[in-house]
Amino acid sequence: NAGVTQTPKFQVLKTGQSMTLQCAQDMNHEYMSWYRQDPGMGLRLIHYSVGAGITDQGEVPNGYNVSRSTTEDFPLRLLSAAPSQTSVYFCASSYSSWAANQHFGDGTRLSIL
Amino acid sequence: KQEVTQIPAALSVPEGENLVLNCSFTDSAIYNLQWFRQDPGKGLTSLLLIQSSQREQTSGRLNASLDKSSGRSTLYIAASQPGDSATYLCAVNSGAGSYQLTFGKGTKLSVIP
Repeated sequence: NAGVTQTPKFQVLKTGQSMTLQCAQDMNHEYMSWYRQDPGMGLRLIHYSVGAGITDQGEVPNGYNVSRSTTEDFPLRLLSAAPSQTSVYFCASSYSSWAANQHFGDGTRLSIL
Repeated sequence: KQEVTQIPAALSVPEGENLVLNCSFTDSAIYNLQWFRQDPGKGLTSLLLIQSSQREQTSGRLNASLDKSSGRSTLYIAASQPGDSATYLCAVNSGAGSYQLTFGKGTKLSVIP
């Protein structure tokens, strides 16, 4: 029972580099989302998707890009990494209803130097 | 804009005590409220989901209540154990069609043997 799988678990980047954080779920969930967690800030929504081919911005989308070509995968792209993007990133998924439990991955810890 | 507050930020109790964690939200027009547990370096584990039409949910030693009109929820943990030590987060979903969860900053619980 894999659930929500995030890779990599840790990553260090230099300012200006780009990278993709991977997220995959095997529960056939329609809804997927990306959050970042910063000390003293709580979790904040970056982008979300309500199904393949459909994405939308959350609270803090600047500097990030997403796409949803399949139900299973929802990658998050950092276009040009900045130190302010140092954070822990969580991917979540849920069944096709806002009433359903959200399932979270274990996170990607990202440091931008 | 919905805001979620959790008090206290940290709590330390001896093993065996019953305890209550508090969550308040500013906009009572929520669709549901979810309590999560987060262990250090890990993702979020869903504990209980309360729909707006419900007053409480129970799972084992955990009981969560919801008072929408006053904008409050409590998580009651009975007979606390050292294994309950973690950060507890509450999150609200603010309405049909809104998949965004608004999180509190969490309460860090330490249960002392």
